[in-house]
Amino acid sequence: LAKTTQPISMDSYEGQEVNITCSHNNIATNDYITWYQQFPSQGPRFIIQGYKTKVTNEVASLFIPADRKSSTLSLPRVSLSDTAVYYCLLSSGNTPLVFGKGTRLSVIA
Amino acid sequence: GAGVSQSPSNKVTEKGKDVELRCDPISGHTALYWYRQSLGQGLEFLIYFQGNSAPDKSGLPSDRFSAERTGGSVSTLTIQRTQQEDSAVYLCASSGGLALTGELFFGEGSRLTVL
Repeated sequence: LAKTTQPISMDSYEGQEVNITCSHNNIATNDYITWYQQFPSQGPRFIIQGYKTKVTNEVASLFIPADRKSSTLSLPRVSLSDTAVYYCLLSSGNTPLVFGKGTRLSVIA
Repeated sequence: GAGVSQSPSNKVTEKGKDVELRCDPISGHTALYWYRQSLGQGLEFLIYFQGNSAPDKSGLPSDRFSAERTGGSVSTLTIQRTQQEDSAVYLCASSGGLALTGELFFGEGSRLTVL
């Protein structure tokens, strides 16, 4: 299974844009890049998924360069409620999703 | 209900006892996953069911762990002769299709404490 690497933790002030970068040097051609968010005492929640270039939804944007060896989750104008753990995963077809330790984002007032 | 339901939400047991954890996936979802999460850690994959295919059991940590999915719906994770290191939150997720394009919907988890 391909591996992803992301920072263990990040801090941000409210109202700032937060960018979390994930490295996946060994990404396969059929891998999609998926991000999940997990609040304390809850199961993870799907945020966004992409294959290449840029994907945007109501929650976040996902930037993927041409070589696809990394991706950046962008959270605009974070609030205290965005404090959570963010996981970057690679998904391809009929194989189980593997979660790493994620990035613990702390938003400070 | 509309979401993934897990029971019990909390379970305290004594070392050596067997426990069963239940997961009711979203109706119609063909894929079902079990994960384990220890305090402050990431999710550890345990087992994956997809339709009528043989389950992927590659993540089960020992032969004390087993899971089954009856009728393509409800799943039960069984831990025999529990040990203290089994203490964790056990999360179940379901998906409507292949993991490639379908998002996983997680339950609230079952918190297991082995004394």
